[in-house]
Amino acid sequence: DAGITQSPRHKVTETGTPVTLRCHQTENHRYMYWYRQDPGHGLRLIHYSYGVKDTDKGEVSDGYSVSRSKTEDFLLTLESATSSQTSVYFCAISETSRGVVDTQYFGPGTRLTVL
Amino acid sequence: EDQVTQSPEALRLQEGESSSLNCSYTVSGLRGLFWYRQDPGKGPEFLFTLYSAGEEKEKERLKATLTKKESFLHITAPKPEDSATYLCAVRRDSGYALNFGKGTSLLVTP
Repeated sequence: DAGITQSPRHKVTETGTPVTLRCHQTENHRYMYWYRQDPGHGLRLIHYSYGVKDTDKGEVSDGYSVSRSKTEDFLLTLESATSSQTSVYFCAISETSRGVVDTQYFGPGTRLTVL
Repeated sequence: EDQVTQSPEALRLQEGESSSLNCSYTVSGLRGLFWYRQDPGKGPEFLFTLYSAGEEKEKERLKATLTKKESFLHITAPKPEDSATYLCAVRRDSGYALNFGKGTSLLVTP
């Protein structure tokens, strides 16, 4: 295992409620990512972080925000959940190797259902 | 725009029947092509990274190859435990993100 945990692993919530997903790593990797996986779309990047307090948007960032106050934790927040955000969310980590951002390793995922 | 297309979408093999999965891509400045395996209800598990055309990597019954337009994942004498979805992804030279294909679902029957 790549030393990544995600919490919660499953969550059911209602439309309009805020939701925060947590990713925790024990590898001290600099880069962390949030992806969502939906049938017919594959994995798509939501946000990523390239250091503490350094984050940027990915392909599908609308409706999501992130924060990283410590190297080991990367939080994904849905400010007001919608049914279109029902998905499986994966966190990933990576480090640089010879100056190149290297392979991404994925966590176990969080299955989120918005009713 | 970067594109990653995997084929076939689904593949059923008998145990011992070798085959190949395809990943064709268009990307500006390839900085890595990645293969992952994903079991139901789990996160993607890293298999291989390929960086340049002509490169090959092997692991047990799996061998990945790369050309300038596509990558193949060859599965030799597969076993039922090789059943999974195989994902291909590319990274361009100007970004951190991986651009994933939709995957090939492989079922190996005894």
